[in-house]
Amino acid sequence: GENVEQHPSTLSVQEGDSAVIKCTYSDSASNYFPWYKQELGKRPQLIIDIRSNVGEKKDQRIAVTLNKTAKHFSLHITETQPEDSAVYFCAASKNKLVFGAGTILRVKS
Amino acid sequence: KAGVTQTPRYLIKTRGQQVTLSCSPISGHRSVSWYQQTPGQGLQFLFEYFSETQRNKGNFPGRFSGRQFSNSRSEMNVSTLELGDSALYLCASRAWTGPLPGANVLTFGAGSRLTVL
Repeated sequence: GENVEQHPSTLSVQEGDSAVIKCTYSDSASNYFPWYKQELGKRPQLIIDIRSNVGEKKDQRIAVTLNKTAKHFSLHITETQPEDSAVYFCAASKNKLVFGAGTILRVKS
Repeated sequence: KAGVTQTPRYLIKTRGQQVTLSCSPISGHRSVSWYQQTPGQGLQFLFEYFSETQRNKGNFPGRFSGRQFSNSRSEMNVSTLELGDSALYLCASRAWTGPLPGANVLTFGAGSRLTVL
């Protein structure tokens, strides 16, 4: 079955810097790759997603890139702010959504 | 429209007991998935139901089961509880799979936090 690995497990950045979180997946048939943000004590919420027929997608300060050949995709957050501090989960899906273990992002002001 | 509703929000059980958790999806969403969240383990997929049928299943023992009703509401049951079952159980709904934008987007409920003593 699908397996998703996510790195790093924790990431600390200074406010205003960029943050990059990387994920690899095992099933080449996966065709949908969402990213979820979970703030402390709250439910995960979708922040951006990408389909396998697209290489990159941007939404304001966040972007996701997908390399189907290498089977990896990345989340890029620019100009980080304290409110970006949260746990970020990547996921890959063909028939079911399989999540990575999560990355704790801390933005220091 | 109302979001995904899970009940109960918190519960405490003892080893050997069983528990039933409930999830009401967003109106119009016919797929319900269940995930177990524990510190350091992320979101572990339990199962997904669509049209009252289990469509996908994760790698959990048979003590974990679920069902879906005709109104798309879903329940999951854990029998013979173990200490390791203590976790946040998240339910998520989506329209279903397909090429349409948003069809695959999971919307999560607030979760049911289970503590097994």
